[in-house]
Amino acid sequence: QKEVEQNSGPLSVPEGAIASLNCTYSDRVSQSFFWYRQYSGKSPELIMSIYSNGDKEDGRFTAQLNKASQYVSLLIRDSQPSDSATYLCAVGTPGAGSYQLTFGKGTKLSVIP
Amino acid sequence: DTEVTQTPKHLVMGMTNKKSLKCEQHMGHRAMYWYKQKAKKPPELMFVYSYEKLSINESVPSRFSPECPNSSLLNLHLHALQPEDSALYLCASSQGTGGLYEQYFGPGTRLTVT
Repeated sequence: QKEVEQNSGPLSVPEGAIASLNCTYSDRVSQSFFWYRQYSGKSPELIMSIYSNGDKEDGRFTAQLNKASQYVSLLIRDSQPSDSATYLCAVGTPGAGSYQLTFGKGTKLSVIP
Repeated sequence: DTEVTQTPKHLVMGMTNKKSLKCEQHMGHRAMYWYKQKAKKPPELMFVYSYEKLSINESVPSRFSPECPNSSLLNLHLHALQPEDSALYLCASSQGTGGLYEQYFGPGTRLTVT
């Protein structure tokens, strides 16, 4: 049973601070890792994908992957109130019959002005 | 362009109605998905189409019937639904399957069953 764990939050950070969102996964053969942002009542929006160990930066977002520790994180620098949303971690695992992503339950982030 | 479109945005139907949800993508993606999402829960996979063929049916009740008329279109036919089927229905697409590819979601259809 593949599992993806996230702190449910809410995580509250002041505007301008760094928000750190964490995710652990259970299947060592997982190879693809995604972060989605979901505003209340809206659909998930892909914001980052990462496949190799290390950091990947895109604007204010940095994804970090450590396969040995089975850990992936998302850092949001200079957090803005518009970043307030639920962040879903999703993990893709290859293999026969494995067509889908496994989603964590999401972390709710609140950025306080 | 990473756009997936869905119609309608909102749907209210009675338990005896028949309705359909529609999804379209023009990214040349070969995999399309239907998900169901309840409030404060992650998306739950229902169906996967790969190269227009149904690859996965995650033990979904027969009152949900998917259809893939061509590589750009995906439908979900609804019949005799229950109130507990009320949820946000999401369509997604990706370049391929295998869990390795980025999935892009449409805006969803908010379904209410009365």
